Amino acid sequence: GAGVSQTPSNKVTEKGKYVELRCDPISGHTALYWYRQSLGQGPEFLIYFQGTGAADDSGLPNDRFFAVRPEGSVSTLKIQRTERGDSAVYLCASSLDAGELFFGEGSRLTVL
Amino acid sequence: GENVEQHPSTLSVQEGDSAVIKCTYSDSASNYFPWYKQELGKRPQLIIDIRSNVGEKKDQRIAVTLNKTAKHFSLHITETQPEDSAVYFCAAYMDTGRRALTFGSGTRLQVQP
Repeated sequence: GAGVSQTPSNKVTEKGKYVELRCDPISGHTALYWYRQSLGQGPEFLIYFQGTGAADDSGLPNDRFFAVRPEGSVSTLKIQRTERGDSAVYLCASSLDAGELFFGEGSRLTVL
Repeated sequence: GENVEQHPSTLSVQEGDSAVIKCTYSDSASNYFPWYKQELGKRPQLIIDIRSNVGEKKDQRIAVTLNKTAKHFSLHITETQPEDSAVYFCAAYMDTGRRALTFGSGTRLQVQP
């Protein structure tokens, strides 16, 4: 596609529920990143994929968070047993090589 | 890991004035420093970047300077316009270890017409 696509754009869920957020990167971009942005803050690194493998998942806050990229293109961020503190905008970005990231519009998650 | 600090958190200028935003980073291995502009409810978009082998880069009304010794870099916007109003983020990247951008906390720039 022309840009990084993220779905859903908005997700409201109840505490304790399971959530999946999807990212479709720019075609041909091998690197894919997930960031989380809270109100008034800069994007916070969660996980980075190079191809199909998670090259660095050290930013995932705890084991309720997991991400996959099975075919080296689309990625899904999965959050189990959501908590109110998980509310944020989840940004996906892709890159052709080291350097410039192209961001999606984000998925705004609200946990009630 | 890398830590990026950004100042000021808010900046208000009159249209036509210059604006300067400053960032410091902690890891001397960082070698790429982009600046992103984020309008309300929109995605961050790259506006300018600099690599560690140069000290300054300019693109029309915006410029970035890098001081590797002091580990700081700055964004300069001249002749500001109301459409420059947004949140600006600096970031640092190294191609060893965690190969991901570490962002500053952002500067909200308000250009008063």
